[in-house]
Amino acid sequence: DAGVTQSPTHLIKTRGQQVTLRCSPKSGHDTVSWYQQALGQGPQFIFQYYEEEERQRGNFPDRFSGHQFPNYSSELNVNALLLGDSALYLCASSFGGETQYFGPGTRLLVL
Amino acid sequence: AQSVTQPDIHITVSEGASLELRCNYSYGATPYLFWYVQSPGQGLQLLLKYFWGDTLVQGIKGFEAEFKRSQSSFNLRKPSVHWSDAAEYFCAVGGVGGDKLTFGTGTRLAVRP
Repeated sequence: DAGVTQSPTHLIKTRGQQVTLRCSPKSGHDTVSWYQQALGQGPQFIFQYYEEEERQRGNFPDRFSGHQFPNYSSELNVNALLLGDSALYLCASSFGGETQYFGPGTRLLVL
Repeated sequence: AQSVTQPDIHITVSEGASLELRCNYSYGATPYLFWYVQSPGQGLQLLLKYFWGDTLVQGIKGFEAEFKRSQSSFNLRKPSVHWSDAAEYFCAVGGVGGDKLTFGTGTRLAVRP
């Protein structure tokens, strides 16, 4: 049984560019949550998708947007990248949103 | 607002010694509580969780944690640490009804040979 998968594993962008990160949830899971983990910090909640709609959102600007597809996979989009967006982006999936299982993350570096 | 405090940023223990990592939380209702472990450059692996019932919960890799409502704590313990336990440990609260998880800042564990 495959766990949560994320792509790409690493990404380098320059300021002002846009980026799309992808996540495939664990089999049987219907809810996807995204977190940002800056270096030396704990993960911070960005948003959560359920039934293809954003169900909750953390304290992140509108530059951060997402999407969930009918097969429950999800994308995280970040526009107008800033240096401070450099972080590990973690996707977590769950069934009903309770116990969240995390993927390996995508490390984004903004130059 | 929900929050998690992990007061120990860094802990070093000798291999074979016992371990206790502290976690205090704030949550508006009966919480769901979690401990995750993260190896360098990796994602988070779930060690154990508390939803309800027995306040002492067992997890993977020989870890256990005890929920103490009166102290708003959920400390992680292991009776004998192995070198492979060196990693960063995160306590998290939330998940009730699909609520977001709020994490602490983590405790980095080093294991002395």
